[in-house]
Amino acid sequence: DTGVSQNPRHKITKRGQNVTFRCDPISEHNRLYWYRQTLGQGPEFLTYFQNEAQLEKSRLLSDRFSAERPKGSFSTLEIQRTEQGDSAMYLCASSTGQGVYGYTFGSGTRLTVV
Amino acid sequence: GQQLNQSPQSMFIQEGEDVSMNCTSSSIFNTWLWYKQDPGEGPVLLIALYKAGELTSNGRLTAQFGITRKDSFLNISASIPSDVGIYFCAGQRIGDDKIIFGKGTRLHILP
Repeated sequence: DTGVSQNPRHKITKRGQNVTFRCDPISEHNRLYWYRQTLGQGPEFLTYFQNEAQLEKSRLLSDRFSAERPKGSFSTLEIQRTEQGDSAMYLCASSTGQGVYGYTFGSGTRLTVV
Repeated sequence: GQQLNQSPQSMFIQEGEDVSMNCTSSSIFNTWLWYKQDPGEGPVLLIALYKAGELTSNGRLTAQFGITRKDSFLNISASIPSDVGIYFCAGQRIGDDKIIFGKGTRLHILP
């Protein structure tokens, strides 16, 4: 297993367009997390899944954001009607679900909204 | 927003010097984690601490879980050029299933 995989690595989009990112977690991990990181800040929690169930959503996750994990494996994060303020690194992490053991991050998707 | 206070925000040191950074919170944590992030990459776990008072080393890195469970520190001994990057503390609060991050300490090594 090669760890947490995120695609694409970079995305440039025009304001108002929709974008979708994908995360493939470590195969035996049943928890999957999404974070957003802006320049000069630490990662900020957005949402997480236990298997296919979305168990928590941050206030940062506006109604333009939606995340899914339909079969409890990979997850997608969609942003509708992108705004310049959405420009950030979007990070995915997965863990075994036993506490935060094995909490491992992917390399992220860098979104630039122009 | 972030609830971990990490200091210092940045450090400029000479190669070979030791480095110390810390993280504090008003909340009690079950777990403290230290990550390093290189430009354009995701955070990579350096050390995980699961018990109050625990002192753990990983090569030249040493981290401790504070007795009060509200703080942690990371030391790097004999710094080398590849230590340059941003170091983040992160923690899991009691009853929480996720980790939250500090704002990071940016380490610069002067030639």
